[in-house]
Amino acid sequence: QKEVEQNSGPLSVPEGAIASLNCTYSDRGSQSFFWYRQYSGKSPELIMSIYSNGDKEDGRFTAQLNKASQYVSLLIRDSQPSDSATYLCAVGGGSQGNLIFGKGTKLSVKP
Amino acid sequence: DTGVSQDPRHKITKRGQNVTFRCDPISEHNRLYWYRQTLGQGPEFLTYFQNEAQLEKSRLLSDRFSAERPKGSFSTLEIQRTEQGDSAMYLCASSWGQSQETQYFGPGTRLLVL
Repeated sequence: QKEVEQNSGPLSVPEGAIASLNCTYSDRGSQSFFWYRQYSGKSPELIMSIYSNGDKEDGRFTAQLNKASQYVSLLIRDSQPSDSATYLCAVGGGSQGNLIFGKGTKLSVKP
Repeated sequence: DTGVSQDPRHKITKRGQNVTFRCDPISEHNRLYWYRQTLGQGPEFLTYFQNEAQLEKSRLLSDRFSAERPKGSFSTLEIQRTEQGDSAMYLCASSWGQSQETQYFGPGTRLLVL
C-alpha cells in the first residue's frame, strides 16, 4: 500500500514568517511530487511540482525533494493571511498516473 | 476560463436515488481522473481515462459506481442506489501526455445523501 504522510497540524505562523510543511512517502520508485493548496470548501489548486532532488523556487514558494530520504517539503516565505489553507502533498502513483495524497496540513497565518 | 469544469457543483439526493456528475477537462488534455474527498482526508483515486479508454477502474468504491468518457472528451461519473456514506466531494482532474504530468482539478461536485 503506497502511502503519503503529512502532519495534519494545524501549523500556526505569524504573518511574515516562514512556514515549513513536510511530507514523507513510502514508494521509493515515485518520480513526481506535487504540492496543492486547498481552501475550505474548494478544490485543490496546484502550487508546485518537483521531479528531481534539490530545491525548486517559484516566488515565495520553495519545494525541496530528497528521494533518498523519501521526503518532500514546501517552504512559504513571507507568509500572508491569504496563505491560510490546507496544503496537500501528492505523489505520482505509478503507471496509472494517479496521485496519492496525504491528508493535508492545515496552515494558519496570524496577522 | 479554459480550466476543468464540473457540473453540478452541488447535489442533494435521497438515499437510493441515482446521481450522475459531469466533468469537462481542459480541451487538449488526454487524461482524465476522478477522485473522491471526504472531510479531513486527501483526495482518493477512483478511476481514470486516457482518451476514451478507461484504463483503471478497480479502485471504484463498489459496483454502484461507474464512469464513462465517450469520444474522449467529457466524462460522467454515476452512482447508483446512493447511500449516506457516498456523501463527499467528487473531484475531476485532467492532464496531458505522460503519467507523471501535472493534474489540474475542477471545482468539484459536493454530494449530500440524505
